Amino acid sequence: DTGVSQNPRHKITKRGQNVTFRCDPISEHNRLYWYRQTLGQGPEFLTYFQNEAQLEKSRLLSDRFSAERPKGSFSTLEIQRTEQGDSAMYLCASRQTSSTDTQYFGPGTRLTVL
Amino acid sequence: GEDVEQSLFLSVREGDSSVINCTYTDSSSTYLYWYKQEPGAGLQLLTYIFSNMDMKQDQRLTVLLNKKDKHLSLRIADTQTGDSAIYFCAGNTFMNYGGSQGNLIFGKGTKLSVKP
Repeated sequence: DTGVSQNPRHKITKRGQNVTFRCDPISEHNRLYWYRQTLGQGPEFLTYFQNEAQLEKSRLLSDRFSAERPKGSFSTLEIQRTEQGDSAMYLCASRQTSSTDTQYFGPGTRLTVL
Repeated sequence: GEDVEQSLFLSVREGDSSVINCTYTDSSSTYLYWYKQEPGAGLQLLTYIFSNMDMKQDQRLTVLLNKKDKHLSLRIADTQTGDSAIYFCAGNTFMNYGGSQGNLIFGKGTKLSVKP
Protein backbone atom coordinates (compact mmCIF):
# COMPACT_ATOMS: atom_id res chain seq x y z
CA ASP A 1 0.00 0.00 0.00
CA THR A 2 1.63 3.25 -1.11
CA GLY A 3 -1.00 5.65 0.22
CA VAL A 4 -0.79 8.04 3.15
CA SER A 5 -0.68 6.23 6.49
CA GLN A 6 -1.37 7.57 9.97
CA ASN A 7 -0.72 6.14 13.41
CA PRO A 8 -2.34 5.51 15.73
CA ARG A 9 -5.83 5.26 14.25
CA HIS A 10 -7.45 5.92 17.60
CA LYS A 11 -6.15 7.59 20.75
CA ILE A 12 -7.97 8.03 24.04
CA THR A 13 -6.27 10.20 26.61
CA LYS A 14 -7.04 12.07 29.78
CA ARG A 15 -7.21 15.83 29.88
CA GLY A 16 -3.80 17.34 30.51
CA GLN A 17 -1.80 14.54 28.89
CA ASN A 18 0.40 14.97 25.84
CA VAL A 19 -0.23 13.03 22.65
CA THR A 20 1.74 12.58 19.44
CA PHE A 21 0.48 11.45 16.06
CA ARG A 22 2.49 10.30 13.08
CA CYS A 23 1.88 10.68 9.37
CA ASP A 24 3.77 8.90 6.59
CA PRO A 25 3.03 10.57 3.25
CA ILE A 26 3.20 9.08 -0.20
CA SER A 27 6.93 8.68 -0.71
CA GLU A 28 7.53 11.06 -3.61
CA HIS A 29 5.28 13.82 -2.22
CA ASN A 30 7.12 16.89 -1.01
CA ARG A 31 4.15 18.66 0.58
CA LEU A 32 2.42 17.45 3.73
CA TYR A 33 -0.68 18.94 5.36
CA TRP A 34 -2.42 18.51 8.70
CA TYR A 35 -6.15 19.10 9.10
CA ARG A 36 -8.57 18.76 11.98
CA GLN A 37 -12.14 17.56 11.54
CA THR A 38 -14.78 17.81 14.23
CA LEU A 39 -18.16 16.11 14.12
CA GLY A 40 -20.42 17.47 11.42
CA GLN A 41 -17.75 19.72 9.93
CA GLY A 42 -15.40 19.60 7.01
CA PRO A 43 -11.66 19.36 7.59
CA GLU A 44 -9.99 22.58 8.73
CA PHE A 45 -6.41 23.38 7.85
CA LEU A 46 -3.84 23.37 10.66
CA THR A 47 -0.39 23.53 9.08
CA TYR A 48 1.67 22.46 6.11
CA PHE A 49 5.22 21.53 5.18
CA GLN A 50 7.17 21.72 1.98
CA ASN A 51 9.92 19.18 2.48
CA GLU A 52 11.14 19.85 6.03
CA ALA A 53 10.08 23.50 6.14
CA GLN A 54 6.86 24.42 7.94
CA LEU A 55 5.47 27.13 5.69
CA GLU A 56 2.12 28.01 7.17
CA LYS A 57 0.16 27.62 10.39
CA SER A 58 -3.49 28.48 10.85
CA ARG A 59 -4.93 30.37 13.79
CA LEU A 60 -6.39 27.04 14.94
CA LEU A 61 -2.88 25.85 15.78
CA SER A 62 -2.53 27.08 19.36
CA ASP A 63 0.75 27.15 21.27
CA ARG A 64 -0.05 23.69 22.62
CA PHE A 65 0.25 22.23 19.13
CA SER A 66 3.55 21.57 17.41
CA ALA A 67 4.33 19.80 14.18
CA GLU A 68 7.61 18.61 12.73
CA ARG A 69 8.87 17.00 9.57
CA PRO A 70 12.55 16.61 10.38
CA LYS A 71 13.81 14.82 7.29
CA GLY A 72 11.16 15.88 4.86
CA SER A 73 9.50 12.46 4.99
CA PHE A 74 7.18 11.52 7.87
CA SER A 75 5.64 14.17 10.13
CA THR A 76 4.53 14.26 13.74
CA LEU A 77 1.83 16.39 15.34
CA GLU A 78 2.07 16.81 19.11
CA ILE A 79 -0.61 18.25 21.35
CA GLN A 80 0.51 19.21 24.83
CA ARG A 81 -1.81 19.49 27.85
CA THR A 82 -4.78 18.16 25.91
CA GLU A 83 -8.22 19.66 26.45
CA GLN A 84 -11.62 18.15 25.77
CA GLY A 85 -12.00 20.58 22.88
CA ASP A 86 -9.08 18.88 21.15
CA SER A 87 -11.23 15.79 20.58
CA ALA A 88 -11.44 15.44 16.81
CA MET A 89 -10.21 13.48 13.82
CA TYR A 90 -6.73 14.61 12.77
CA LEU A 91 -6.14 14.11 9.08
CA CYS A 92 -2.89 14.18 7.19
CA ALA A 93 -2.64 14.73 3.44
CA SER A 94 0.23 14.86 1.00
CA ARG A 95 0.78 16.02 -2.52
CA GLN A 96 3.46 16.50 -5.10
CA THR A 97 3.81 19.81 -6.84
CA SER A 98 1.97 19.09 -10.02
CA SER A 99 -0.47 20.58 -12.41
CA THR A 100 -3.48 19.28 -10.48
CA ASP A 101 -2.23 20.06 -6.94
CA THR A 102 -4.31 17.17 -5.65
CA GLN A 103 -4.02 16.24 -1.98
CA TYR A 104 -4.33 12.60 -0.91
CA PHE A 105 -5.57 11.93 2.58
CA GLY A 106 -4.69 9.33 5.15
CA PRO A 107 -7.28 7.47 7.24
CA GLY A 108 -6.94 9.89 10.14
CA THR A 109 -6.28 9.61 13.86
CA ARG A 110 -9.34 9.95 16.04
CA LEU A 111 -8.49 11.62 19.35
CA THR A 112 -10.81 11.42 22.34
CA VAL A 113 -9.90 13.51 25.38
CA LEU A 114 -11.70 12.43 28.54
CA GLY B 1 -11.00 34.21 2.80
CA GLU B 2 -12.66 31.36 1.01
CA ASP B 3 -16.05 30.14 2.16
CA VAL B 4 -17.63 26.97 0.81
CA GLU B 5 -21.31 26.15 1.32
CA GLN B 6 -23.13 22.86 0.78
CA SER B 7 -26.56 21.54 1.58
CA LEU B 8 -26.27 19.09 4.46
CA PHE B 9 -28.45 16.18 3.37
CA LEU B 10 -29.59 14.43 0.20
CA SER B 11 -31.68 11.28 -0.06
CA VAL B 12 -32.19 9.36 -3.30
CA ARG B 13 -33.38 5.96 -4.42
CA GLU B 14 -30.99 3.38 -5.79
CA GLY B 15 -30.63 3.76 -9.54
CA ASP B 16 -31.60 7.44 -9.57
CA SER B 17 -29.14 10.27 -10.23
CA SER B 18 -27.82 12.32 -7.31
CA VAL B 19 -26.86 15.96 -7.64
CA ILE B 20 -24.80 17.52 -4.86
CA ASN B 21 -24.37 21.28 -4.99
CA CYS B 22 -21.70 23.60 -3.67
CA THR B 23 -21.15 27.37 -3.75
CA TYR B 24 -17.87 29.11 -3.05
CA THR B 25 -16.77 32.69 -2.59
CA ASP B 26 -13.14 32.86 -3.71
CA SER B 27 -12.86 32.98 -7.46
CA SER B 28 -9.06 32.68 -7.28
CA SER B 29 -9.23 28.93 -6.63
CA THR B 30 -7.64 27.25 -9.61
CA TYR B 31 -8.93 23.80 -8.77
CA LEU B 32 -12.12 22.58 -7.17
CA TYR B 33 -12.34 19.08 -5.76
CA TRP B 34 -14.87 16.53 -4.66
CA TYR B 35 -13.99 14.13 -1.86
CA LYS B 36 -15.98 11.24 -0.39
CA GLN B 37 -15.84 10.23 3.26
CA GLU B 38 -17.29 7.01 4.61
CA PRO B 39 -17.96 6.64 8.37
CA GLY B 40 -14.78 6.66 10.44
CA ALA B 41 -12.56 6.93 7.39
CA GLY B 42 -10.36 9.53 5.74
CA LEU B 43 -11.21 11.42 2.58
CA GLN B 44 -11.14 9.74 -0.80
CA LEU B 45 -10.55 11.95 -3.81
CA LEU B 46 -13.33 11.46 -6.35
CA THR B 47 -12.58 14.04 -8.98
CA TYR B 48 -11.44 17.59 -9.55
CA ILE B 49 -12.04 20.30 -12.11
CA PHE B 50 -9.78 23.06 -13.28
CA SER B 51 -11.31 26.50 -12.97
CA ASN B 52 -11.24 27.20 -16.70
CA MET B 53 -13.41 24.17 -17.44
CA ASP B 54 -17.20 24.04 -17.44
CA MET B 55 -17.67 20.31 -17.21
CA LYS B 56 -15.75 17.16 -16.50
CA GLN B 57 -17.04 13.61 -16.81
CA ASP B 58 -15.45 10.59 -15.20
CA GLN B 59 -17.45 7.36 -15.52
CA ARG B 60 -20.60 7.83 -13.36
CA LEU B 61 -19.45 11.24 -12.12
CA THR B 62 -20.12 14.57 -13.84
CA VAL B 63 -18.82 17.83 -12.44
CA LEU B 64 -20.35 21.11 -13.59
CA LEU B 65 -18.74 24.45 -12.83
CA ASN B 66 -20.48 27.81 -13.24
CA LYS B 67 -17.78 30.37 -12.56
CA LYS B 68 -20.08 33.33 -12.92
CA ASP B 69 -22.34 32.09 -10.15
CA LYS B 70 -19.47 30.37 -8.25
CA HIS B 71 -21.46 27.18 -8.26
CA LEU B 72 -20.13 23.64 -8.45
CA SER B 73 -22.12 20.44 -8.69
CA LEU B 74 -21.42 16.73 -8.64
CA ARG B 75 -23.81 14.40 -10.41
CA ILE B 76 -23.65 10.70 -9.67
CA ALA B 77 -25.44 8.61 -12.26
CA ASP B 78 -27.13 5.31 -11.34
CA THR B 79 -26.55 5.89 -7.62
CA GLN B 80 -25.82 2.74 -5.64
CA THR B 81 -26.09 1.96 -1.92
CA GLY B 82 -22.28 1.95 -1.81
CA ASP B 83 -22.37 5.64 -2.72
CA SER B 84 -23.89 6.44 0.68
CA ALA B 85 -21.33 8.71 2.35
CA ILE B 86 -20.53 12.34 3.05
CA TYR B 87 -19.36 14.33 0.04
CA PHE B 88 -17.16 17.39 0.45
CA CYS B 89 -16.36 20.04 -2.08
CA ALA B 90 -13.13 21.95 -1.60
CA GLY B 91 -11.19 24.73 -3.26
CA ASN B 92 -7.48 25.35 -3.16
CA THR B 93 -6.01 28.59 -1.89
CA PHE B 94 -3.06 30.71 -2.75
CA MET B 95 -0.28 31.53 -0.41
CA ASN B 96 2.26 34.24 -0.61
CA TYR B 97 5.26 31.93 -0.86
CA GLY B 98 6.34 32.50 -4.41
CA GLY B 99 2.80 32.07 -5.65
CA SER B 100 2.65 28.42 -4.59
CA GLN B 101 -0.70 26.95 -3.63
CA GLY B 102 -1.56 25.88 -0.15
CA ASN B 103 -4.32 24.32 1.84
CA LEU B 104 -7.82 23.27 0.85
CA ILE B 105 -10.96 24.95 2.14
CA PHE B 106 -13.81 22.49 2.64
CA GLY B 107 -17.54 22.78 2.91
CA LYS B 108 -19.35 21.07 5.78
CA GLY B 109 -20.23 18.13 3.58
CA THR B 110 -23.43 16.69 2.14
CA LYS B 111 -24.60 13.40 3.59
CA LEU B 112 -25.94 11.25 0.77
CA SER B 113 -28.34 8.48 1.75
CA VAL B 114 -29.25 5.94 -0.90
CA LYS B 115 -32.41 3.93 -0.31
CA PRO B 116 -32.76 0.48 -1.92
